[in-house]
Amino acid sequence: ETGVTQTPRHLVMGMTNKKSLKCEQHLGHNAMYWYKQSAKKPLELMFVYNFKEQTENNSVPSRFSPECPNSSHLFLHLHTLQPEDSALYLCASSQDIVSAGNTNEQFFGPGTRLTVL
Amino acid sequence: SQKIEQNSEALNIQEGKTATLTCNYTNYSPAYLQWYRQDPGRGPVFLLLIRENEKEKRKERLKVTFDTTLKQSLFHITASQPADSATYLCALNTNAGKSTFGDGTTLTVKP
Repeated sequence: ETGVTQTPRHLVMGMTNKKSLKCEQHLGHNAMYWYKQSAKKPLELMFVYNFKEQTENNSVPSRFSPECPNSSHLFLHLHTLQPEDSALYLCASSQDIVSAGNTNEQFFGPGTRLTVL
Repeated sequence: SQKIEQNSEALNIQEGKTATLTCNYTNYSPAYLQWYRQDPGRGPVFLLLIRENEKEKRKERLKVTFDTTLKQSLFHITASQPADSATYLCALNTNAGKSTFGDGTTLTVKP
């Protein structure tokens, strides 16, 4: 166990549904991340939060809406998704945001396998 | 545009041999580079980090080299075991922050 949990582990939803992914870290970290991992493609950074403030939005469509109520919890709200959004969604945390001068290791959760029908 | 390439999608070797994985990059000036391991159905797990001013790092059976002239990192697993079978990802980090990952190499170690 890495100290980062994600729920649900699997999710199947229709294009008109609204659902949320949840991530929780028990490591006392200040930075949290959402990544998307599609088959045959590299991990794609979606959002970065540092001390609950969003510091990075990597041109993610608005049908993905992140929420970070505190440093331990991160949500990804989903609505009107497309079949091409089917992927493994990974949450990660690190002590501080990855930046010059530090070498923060990221701890990943197990991911949520999302299928959009 | 920035590009990260990891050698062949799949690498098969015999148990006991040394596995060597490659990470090449272009149009990039990373401050440091990380290697992660990912097993099916799980998130990546950090293995090793090497800074731009370091040539080599070791951890148990793992060794990483970093050549900023060649724009390449090599990841070695010596005395490989079937339990080393997994996908290995390299990630580059710049001074501006944020990690960019390669698409991984799947290693299979045969008994």
